[in-house]
Amino acid sequence: DAGVIQSPRHEVTEMGQEVTLRCKPISGHNSLFWYRQTMMRGLELLIYFNNNVPIDDSGMPEDRFSAKMPNASFSTLKIQPSEPRDSAVYFCASSFSAREAFFGQGTRLTVV
Amino acid sequence: EDQVTQSPEALRLQEGESSSLNCSYTVSGLRGLFWYRQDPGKGPEFLFTLYSAGEEKEKERLKATLTKKESFLHITAPKPEDSATYLCAVQAEGGSYIPTFGRGTSLIVHP
Repeated sequence: DAGVIQSPRHEVTEMGQEVTLRCKPISGHNSLFWYRQTMMRGLELLIYFNNNVPIDDSGMPEDRFSAKMPNASFSTLKIQPSEPRDSAVYFCASSFSAREAFFGQGTRLTVV
Repeated sequence: EDQVTQSPEALRLQEGESSSLNCSYTVSGLRGLFWYRQDPGKGPEFLFTLYSAGEEKEKERLKATLTKKESFLHITAPKPEDSATYLCAVQAEGGSYIPTFGRGTSLIVHP
C-alpha cells in the first residue's frame, strides 16, 4: 500500500478564498483523523471519522471548517472563507480498529 | 481530560551519547501509548505501541518502556540520522479511542 495520500502538498491562497484538502486513507482502515499542526499549539485533532461517520468534530475551530467522508477511500477538509490564522500543516491519518494511526505527508497551507 | 507531557522539549546529544526521552501521561484508563518519529516536512511515522506497564519494545537503537504514569524512549549510541522530533500519544479506554498527542521532544544528534 502507498500509505495515506494527501493533496495538495502545498497550498497558497488569498484570505477569503475557499480551500479544499484531500485525503486517501490506507485501504482497509476504518478510522480517519484530520489534524492541524502549528509551532504554537502542536498537533491538534480537528475531526475523527469511524466507518465514514463523523464521531468527534469538537476540534473543528468554527463553522468555516467542514469535513466529509463520502466513502471509505476519500475524505476532504474544506475551509471557507480562509483566514491567515488558518496557516498550518494539515495532516490526515488512518487506522484500523482504533490501533496505531498512520499519517500522510501533510498539506502546508499558507493564507496570505 | 487526558494529558500528555513530554520532556525535555529539546535535546542535543553527541553521536554515541545515550539518553532517554520522557512522556508523562494522565488518562482515566490506558488503552495504548504510541511513539512516533517526525522528520521536518513530513508526517509522523509510527514507531511503537505499548499497552501495559512493564512492556518494552525495541527497534534498532530505540527502546520504549512503559509504567503506569510514564513512558521512556531510550536511545542507545545515537547517530545523526536519529535527529527528529519524537511524539508520544495516549489512547484512553472506552469512548472514541482518539489519541491525545504530546508536544514532542526535538532531538539533534551531532556527529
